[in-house]
Amino acid sequence: AQTVTQSQPEMSVQEAETVTLSCTYDTSESDYYLFWYKQPPSRQMILVIRQEAYKQQNATENRFSVNFQKAAKSFSLKISDSQLGDAAMYFCAYRSARNYGGSQGNLIFGKGTKLSVKP
Amino acid sequence: DSGVTQTPKHLITATGQRVTLRCSPRSGDLSVYWYQQSLDQGLQFLIQYYNGEERAKGNILERFSAQQFPDLHSELNLSSLELGDSALYFCASSVTGTPYNEQFFGPGTRLTVL
Repeated sequence: AQTVTQSQPEMSVQEAETVTLSCTYDTSESDYYLFWYKQPPSRQMILVIRQEAYKQQNATENRFSVNFQKAAKSFSLKISDSQLGDAAMYFCAYRSARNYGGSQGNLIFGKGTKLSVKP
Repeated sequence: DSGVTQTPKHLITATGQRVTLRCSPRSGDLSVYWYQQSLDQGLQFLIQYYNGEERAKGNILERFSAQQFPDLHSELNLSSLELGDSALYFCASSVTGTPYNEQFFGPGTRLTVL
């Protein structure tokens, strides 16, 4: 079974600075997707960024980028120029690329990292 | 706004009771997923439906059941409720339910069991 581990329960960053959130995962599959979701106090789950395992290039979305190390099974999120609105819980998630059997695209989440942004 | 709606937003009930949570997927989406977010277990996948049929099952208790109706809305039924069932229940939808399609999450239903 696949697992996702986020070893940092809480992180803090100064506004305008850069912060990196860590995520490791365990899988025997070679084809899968990785995600970072943001959950602000409103509790809404918001997709931040997505990475396909077959792509070597790291995904970027504006101030958000990932460092995907497939061999090390590591998937960290870097937030540049942090803003007050970035304060939230961040969840790393894994999804198998298999489209058969019992796994049909459900997400497997880590426990989350609570990010605080100091003004 | 993701386009996925969930009702009710909040639900307070007593142990032993039964409740129904409702989810309407985005227009055009055929697949619905249910997730539970609790303090103890974190975010867990419960069950997935595609076009009215069960597609995948996760850590869903036998006391819980779900279905997807012909109009594609879905209901999650929780019975014989226990204190530990208190959680935030999310519904997500995607176009076809294949791993490639993004899942869009609803705002969740907060269930409190007293």
